[in-house]
Amino acid sequence: DTGVSQDPRHKITKRGQNVTFRCDPISEHNRLYWYRQTLGQGPEFLTYFQNEAQLEKSRLLSDRFSAERPKGSFSTLEIQRTEQGDSAMYLCASSLETLPDTQYFGPGTRLTVL
Amino acid sequence: AQSVTQPDIHITVSEGASLELRCNYSYGATPYLFWYVQSPGQGLQLLLKYFSGDTLVQGIKGFEAEFKRSQSSFNLRKPSVHWSDAAEYFCAVGAPEYGNKLVFGAGTILRVKS
Repeated sequence: DTGVSQDPRHKITKRGQNVTFRCDPISEHNRLYWYRQTLGQGPEFLTYFQNEAQLEKSRLLSDRFSAERPKGSFSTLEIQRTEQGDSAMYLCASSLETLPDTQYFGPGTRLTVL
Repeated sequence: AQSVTQPDIHITVSEGASLELRCNYSYGATPYLFWYVQSPGQGLQLLLKYFSGDTLVQGIKGFEAEFKRSQSSFNLRKPSVHWSDAAEYFCAVGAPEYGNKLVFGAGTILRVKS
């Protein structure tokens, strides 16, 4: 059983550029979550999918952020026109469709915006 | 809204000593409770969870946690700490009324001295 994988692990970009991150969940998991973690803080929820449907988005997810999960498998998180405040660790988690569910996290993508 | 408080930002213990990390939550009903551990630059690993039933739960790596409804607490314990336990520990709360997202505390950094 492979765990959640994320790519890339690190991304350095200049302010104003667009970036895209990918998350591959555990194969049988149909829920997928994105969180953001800034230095010294716990992760904060951004959005989640059940299969291909995006069911909830946080107010943290500004118009510059978009997430997709087109076939209910992997997901992408895109940030347009990056700002220095977007620098953070972006974590992906997946779970089975149970109530309650248990979320398993990937290694994260560390974004640095210069 | 849910909130999670981890009162201790840093804790230092000697190798072989016992450990207790505190977690308090604010939520009306019985939430789902989790402890995760994060090594530097890595994702989160699930240590243990509480959904219902026995209020003392066992997890991996010799950790346990006790749910105390009257104190709104879910403290993490380990009888004898190993140097490899040095990491950051996060308490998290979930509840179906708030969707499936988790709300995390700010974390406690554990240092182990030999």
